[in-house]
Amino acid sequence: DAGVTQSPTHLIKTRGQHVTLRCSPISGHKSVSWYQQVLGQGPQFIFQYYEKEERGRGNFPDRFSARQFPNYSSELNVNALLLGDSALYLCASSRDRDRVREQYFGPGTRLTVT
Amino acid sequence: DAKTTQPNSMESNEEEPVHLPCNHSTISGTDYIHWYRQLPSQGPEYVIHGLTSNVNNRMASLAIAEDRKSSTLILHRATLRDAAVYYCILSSGAGSYQLTFGKGTKLSVIP
Repeated sequence: DAGVTQSPTHLIKTRGQHVTLRCSPISGHKSVSWYQQVLGQGPQFIFQYYEKEERGRGNFPDRFSARQFPNYSSELNVNALLLGDSALYLCASSRDRDRVREQYFGPGTRLTVT
Repeated sequence: DAKTTQPNSMESNEEEPVHLPCNHSTISGTDYIHWYRQLPSQGPEYVIHGLTSNVNNRMASLAIAEDRKSSTLILHRATLRDAAVYYCILSSGAGSYQLTFGKGTKLSVIP
């Protein structure tokens, strides 16, 4: 089975621009979560989506938004990019919302803001 | 969220057992203990999880203290491929299923 896929793998944007990152979960997984990982730190939770609805949100500004599509794929959007948004953005999928269920992470999208 | 404390780094010789400690003194009775690891240039990978009893799977063993205030991830025979950052995480409460990562323990494996 294919794992979690993310696109693009790398991206360079300028301050003030907007970016859209995409994630396809493992087949049969209905929950998608997004994480931001700054260099040298552990991943930080941004959003969880389950059955196309937002089920959890981390401590991130409103410039960050996301959505989940009927096929359970997801997009993360970031507006008005700041230098501090440079990070590895990780998508994770799980079969459902059960907090015991393991999450499967994609390889991430490396975003550089200049 | 309940917090975990892990050593910043550890070293192990190849083919020897590794014991990675984690302290979580403020754990609640319903918090599960999860371990993930992140190999260089990859996303995190699930390793194991448990609630009260010790757990074993093909990757590792999880030993949980009787008072649940600490746990230990055991790799029975370290290989070079086990060199990674290991994160000990407590599940958050009811509602969304978010993983709250700390800085983890960077494990180096010496050939």
